[in-house]
Amino acid sequence: ETGVTQSPTHLIKTRGQQVTLRCSSQSGHNTVSWYQQALGQGPQFIFQYYREEENGRGNFPPRFSGLQFPNYSSELNVNALELDDSALYLCASSLGTVGYEQYFGPGTRLTVT
Amino acid sequence: EDQVTQSPEALRLQEGESSSLNCSYTVSGLRGLFWYRQDPGKGPEFLFTLYSAGEEKEKERLKATLTKKESFLHITAPKPEDSATYLCAVQAYSGAGSYQLTFGKGTKLSVIP
Repeated sequence: ETGVTQSPTHLIKTRGQQVTLRCSSQSGHNTVSWYQQALGQGPQFIFQYYREEENGRGNFPPRFSGLQFPNYSSELNVNALELDDSALYLCASSLGTVGYEQYFGPGTRLTVT
Repeated sequence: EDQVTQSPEALRLQEGESSSLNCSYTVSGLRGLFWYRQDPGKGPEFLFTLYSAGEEKEKERLKATLTKKESFLHITAPKPEDSATYLCAVQAYSGAGSYQLTFGKGTKLSVIP
């Protein structure tokens, strides 16, 4: 059974640019959640997708957007990058939206200069 | 607003010295409390889910317990390989039909040989 995978592993972008991060969910999982984790902090919820529809959003501006595809893989897009967007971005998949444990990928380390 | 507080922030133990990590929470309508382990630069690894007060789960040297206001992660006779950051997260209703996972900042555990 393949776990959650994310790409790329690392990337460096310039302020004002746009970035797309990708996530493949664990086999059989229909729900994907995205998190931002700053150094020394716990992960912060960005949004969740369930069967291709957004199903909840945290306190992040609209320049953070996402997609989920029919195979339940997902993308996180961030426009107009700011220095504070530098963080580890984590994707997690689960069997459903309530009460199910979420399994995390290895993360994408984004650095904005 | 849902809140999750973990203590202590950091803990140093001698190998074999048992201890407990605390996670206190204030949420309405808890749907699950989750414990994760995170190694530096990696995604969180799922450990336990607890759903109701009085519930306990065990795995090797770890035991998680839950009351109505807090959870404990007990570590018995820890080994150096138990060194990691331990994260606690609660899932509760966040509005518009969605349930959000809120994380604490974690406890960084170091086990000295």
